[in-house]
Amino acid sequence: AQKVTQAQTEISVVEKEDVTLDCVYETRDTTYYLFWYKQPPSGELVFLIRRNSFDEQNEISGRYSWNFQKSTSSFNFTITASQVVDSAVYFCALLSGSARQLTFGSGTQLTVLP
Amino acid sequence: DAGVIQSPRHEVTEMGQEVTLRCKPISGHNSLFWYRQTMMRGLELLIYFNNNVPIDDSGMPEDRFSAKMPNASFSTLKIQPSEPRDSAVYFCASSSLFLSTDTQYFGPGTRLTVL
Repeated sequence: AQKVTQAQTEISVVEKEDVTLDCVYETRDTTYYLFWYKQPPSGELVFLIRRNSFDEQNEISGRYSWNFQKSTSSFNFTITASQVVDSAVYFCALLSGSARQLTFGSGTQLTVLP
Repeated sequence: DAGVIQSPRHEVTEMGQEVTLRCKPISGHNSLFWYRQTMMRGLELLIYFNNNVPIDDSGMPEDRFSAKMPNASFSTLKIQPSEPRDSAVYFCASSSLFLSTDTQYFGPGTRLTVL
């Protein structure tokens, strides 16, 4: 069975602070994909990144960076110099094996205060 | 390029009424997914289609829910009769079976309120 745990329910930071959102996953498959989605207050789900299980290279995109560590089954997301517009719920998700449905974590509500 | 399109964006109805939600996937995508989001249960997969064929409907909560995909560019999710506990945001997502990425792109969602 697949499982995604986002232990941080809510995080509040002040603008320009760095913040890391944690994601821990469980799967028995050797081939799998990990995703992060952003859900701003407007409600839509916005795709941010996808990583496959064979590529542990960290990735940076502007102020966003992702740290994938198979040894700890984690795929953490860091926002550098946070901005008010980063306020949203962030979901980590797993797609593994032959199953094509995403397993979502419960989400982390990030609030960036001005 | 147009993303996943859903209609209506908001639906308010009374218990017992039939509700139909609509989805147009991204052109060229051949997998389509229906999810439901509630505070209590988070994001749940209801059903998904590959090449217009339903593959897994184990997430459909009851017989009151049905989904169809008559062609590659259109899908519906119907609730008949609707109940207050069906109130939720319903998302449609699509992806390409032919690409190895399997990245699902979501529509804006339909917020359903059943009174």
